[in-house]
Amino acid sequence: EAQVTQNPRYLITVTGKKLTVTCSQNMNHEYMSWYRQDPGLGLRQIYYSMNVEVTDKGDVPEGYKVSRKEKRNFPLILESPSPNQTSLYFCASRRTSGGARYNEQFFGPGTRLTVL
Amino acid sequence: GENVEQHPSTLSVQEGDSAVIKCTYSDSASNYFPWYKQELGKGPQLIIDIRSNVGEKKDQRIAVTLNKTAKHFSLHITETQPEDSAVYFCAASRGYGNNRLAFGKGNQVVVIP
Repeated sequence: EAQVTQNPRYLITVTGKKLTVTCSQNMNHEYMSWYRQDPGLGLRQIYYSMNVEVTDKGDVPEGYKVSRKEKRNFPLILESPSPNQTSLYFCASRRTSGGARYNEQFFGPGTRLTVL
Repeated sequence: GENVEQHPSTLSVQEGDSAVIKCTYSDSASNYFPWYKQELGKGPQLIIDIRSNVGEKKDQRIAVTLNKTAKHFSLHITETQPEDSAVYFCAASRGYGNNRLAFGKGNQVVVIP
C-alpha cells in the first residue's frame, strides 16, 4: 500500500530533551515536507526537501532540523524542544514530475507532540 | 510569497443541503489549486484539484470553480452527508514540480443529520 508513515504517533516530552520524529514514504517520491498544524493557523511548512541531500527552510523553521540521507526518509529533529513546539506534525511527500496527478501531495497520519 | 485565505472558518449545513467554501489567493502566477479533506485523527487527503486552464471541475458530489481574474476558487459539495464533516484546506502553487503549496487555514464543515 502506498503510504507515508510517521513515528511516533503521540509523544509527550520535557523541555530541552532532544527528540526525532521519523517519516518514511514508499512511493519513491522526490519531494518531502514537514508541516505543523495549530488551531486557527492551519498548516504551516517547517522544512522541505526536493531530493536526497537537498533541504530548505519553509515558513516556520526555527527550532527544527531535518536531514535527507535517503530518498524514502525525512526525519524531523528537535534539538531542544520548547513548549511552543507543542503541535500536531505532518509529513508529506509527492512526485516532482510525471503524469497528470503528480502534484498530489500525500500526508502521513500525524504526530501529536506535547512539550512540557 | 503566496497568501491563501479561506472563508468561512466554520460552516454548518443540514444533511442534503449544499456547502460552499471560498478561497482567495494573492499570487497571480499561481496556477494549481487543490483541495484537501482532513478527517478527525487523520492527515489531509486530496479530494479534487484544478489547474488554471479550466474554470470548473466536477467529481461526483464535489466540484471546484476557479476565477483567475478575481483570484478566487471555491469548493462546492452537493447533497451533503454526515461523512462530509471534516476540515477542508484549500491550497495554491505556481504549478508543477518543485513549487511549494501554500495552504489556507482550513474550514470546519459540520453536516447536521
